[in-house]
Amino acid sequence: DQQVKQNSPSLSVQEGRISILNCDYTNSMFDYFLWYKKYPAEGPTFLISISSIKDKNEDGRFTVFLNKSAKHLSLHIVPSQPGDSAVYFCAASFMTTDSWGKLQFGAGTQVVVTP
Amino acid sequence: NAGVTQTPKFRILKIGQSMTLQCAQDMNHNYMYWYRQDPGMGLKLIYYSVGAGITDKGEVPNGYNVSRSTTEDFPLRLELAAPSQTSVYFCASSILEFPHPTNEKLFFGSGTQLSVL
Repeated sequence: DQQVKQNSPSLSVQEGRISILNCDYTNSMFDYFLWYKKYPAEGPTFLISISSIKDKNEDGRFTVFLNKSAKHLSLHIVPSQPGDSAVYFCAASFMTTDSWGKLQFGAGTQVVVTP
Repeated sequence: NAGVTQTPKFRILKIGQSMTLQCAQDMNHNYMYWYRQDPGMGLKLIYYSVGAGITDKGEVPNGYNVSRSTTEDFPLRLELAAPSQTSVYFCASSILEFPHPTNEKLFFGSGTQLSVL
């Protein structure tokens, strides 16, 4: 029973344009959300996070938006660069020490940035 | 910096065989985790450890065992391999930070691709 869903398995975007990745969750008790990025033959690496008390968090070219009423979050990458070609995982958790590191992951979205 | 090291990178097992996936970290992290990723699915937590001598089950522990005799090492044991265990296995580590713990500081290894035939 997947509690975090990424319904788009792939996304192709031109270099310089905006990439928008979407993620939905079913458990309204989640209060912390993360995006991880994964290159082939490597482990996931942390990209950006947001707690449920916020609706937006920015870090350079990456912005995450959270809509709690819709149980939806999105990751915007502006502008997209060829090095952004990777699989992006959405993850959710609870901000408690008992839940430390226990993340619920989505299935991932493969992003391809074309020249 | 080595970070989290997993061995082997690839392995093919026959049904019923056993093996141990190795994981070591050199960051002195107290927390360590094993996740698996099946094709088209998200990562799922198998087991985790909050320190040497302490382990606990995650979401999908059946068919696996772990031990944590040192801070650095967290091996995952498959006793009777089954086709359902074909997956990519990721080990991760982290350190609990206060006063505002967040879950972002997970460091992953590069994974072990396991096929059970």
